[in-house]
Amino acid sequence: DGGITQSPKYLFRKEGQNVTLSCEQNLNHDAMYWYRQDPGQGLRLIYYSQIVNDFQKGDIAEGYSVSREKKESFPLTVTSAQKNPTAFYLCASREPPGEQYFGPGTRLTVT
Amino acid sequence: DQQVKQNSPSLSVQEGRISILNCDYTNSMFDYFLWYKKYPAEGPTFLISISSIKDKNEDGRFTVFLNKSAKHLSLHIVPSQPGDSAVYFCAASAVNTGTASKLTFGTGTRLQVTL
Repeated sequence: DGGITQSPKYLFRKEGQNVTLSCEQNLNHDAMYWYRQDPGQGLRLIYYSQIVNDFQKGDIAEGYSVSREKKESFPLTVTSAQKNPTAFYLCASREPPGEQYFGPGTRLTVT
Repeated sequence: DQQVKQNSPSLSVQEGRISILNCDYTNSMFDYFLWYKKYPAEGPTFLISISSIKDKNEDGRFTVFLNKSAKHLSLHIVPSQPGDSAVYFCAASAVNTGTASKLTFGTGTRLQVTL
């Protein structure tokens, strides 16, 4: 089945540690995205990539890093510089100008 | 600067009645609009979209209306069902400005359909 997978579903880390969230898609989409959702807020764009080996900062990129070495993979690293890393992280892909397809999300808790 | 706004954080509707969710935008370059539905702890799922060349798009119980002069769109769900209870996000993109792949989302409206 075509879709987007994110792993793991729940992730726990200690403060000061970097953590990498996985996102894989087999939809053959060029564009991929990372969002975070906080309670009472919408989806805020962290980073996006329109094509392999290229990515751009979104609205809240500070404290995050990404890579796009393969079309199907777009991992997100939450670094220790991110002040409020605890959130629900969503990965998506899209073939513009169509709709974005979202993965099931990863809930990251940093204590 | 919130370019896509959903001013009603929540809405309660009786089963069988019409649900109307509203969305306003400020960026006149937006020309493609989408609605997503989201359950807790899951990724959003696409519902319906509309291009700026249209003012209405219908898909089963879901209809999206676009008023470009008012920079306003709405999602109508008729009839509302308990399974429609979720958070609904409005999103917009500017296809013709080279930023085609970036969507801007509103803050969402939580719909509760009661029996």
